[in-house]
Amino acid sequence: EVQLVESGGALVQPGRSLRLSCSASGFTFGDYAMSWVRQAPGKGLEWVGFVRGKAYGGTSESAASVKGRFSISRDDSRSIAYLQMNSLKTDDTAVYYCCREWPHYSGSYDSWGQGTLVTVSS
Amino acid sequence: QSVLTQPPSVSAAPGQKVSISCSGTSSNIGNNYISWYQQLPGTAPKLLIYDNNKRPSGIPDRFSGSKSGTSATLAITGLQTGDEADYYCGMWHTSLRGVFGGGTKLTVL
Repeated sequence: EVQLVESGGALVQPGRSLRLSCSASGFTFGDYAMSWVRQAPGKGLEWVGFVRGKAYGGTSESAASVKGRFSISRDDSRSIAYLQMNSLKTDDTAVYYCCREWPHYSGSYDSWGQGTLVTVSS
Repeated sequence: QSVLTQPPSVSAAPGQKVSISCSGTSSNIGNNYISWYQQLPGTAPKLLIYDNNKRPSGIPDRFSGSKSGTSATLAITGLQTGDEADYYCGMWHTSLRGVFGGGTKLTVL
C-alpha cells in the first residue's frame, strides 16, 4: 500500500525558515516524481513544486509564487522528499500536501499524504 | 485567478446526474491532459480521473471525464450524499507547470 506521511509543519514567524518532510513507503520511491501542493484555509489547491525521479536527474521546479524562496529535494536512500521554505510570508499559511505523480509525468497525482499545517504569523 | 475556470458550486438531488465544467483556452486545456480530484471535508484530495477520461483502480464508473475543445467535464451519475465534496480539475502546463482549477463545491440536496 502506498503511504505518504508529511511532517514538519509548525507555527513560524514571518521571514523564518521551515523544512517539511514527506516519508514514502509501499512503492519504489526513486522511480516517481514527487510534488508538493498547498491549500490555504478555505481556499483551493495550489501547486508548489516538484522533484523529478532519478531517471530524470532528480531536478526540481517551483511555482512562480515561491520561486527563489522554496526548494524541493529528495533522498532516495531514505524515501523522503523535502520542501525547504525560506523567507516565509503570512500568505504561505496553508496545509501542505505531498503527492506522487502518476502516470509518470502526466500532471496527475494518484497518492496524497494527509497534509501538514504551516502557519506563518507573528 | 486560475487559468482553469470552474463554477463555484453545483447541486443536484440524490440519484441524479451532475456535471462540473473546467474551462480554459486552446493553449492550455486544448493541448494537455486533464485530471479530476475529489476532496471530502477535512481530507486530502483523491484522484478520480486522469488523462481526461481514465479512472484509477477503485474509482466507480459513476464518475466519468470528457474533454472537448477548450473545456473538460466531470460527470457524476447516481448521486449519493457521500459525493458531497469539493472537486478540482488540474493539468500540467508546459510553462505554468502544475495548475488547478478554483474548485467546485457539490451539494447533494
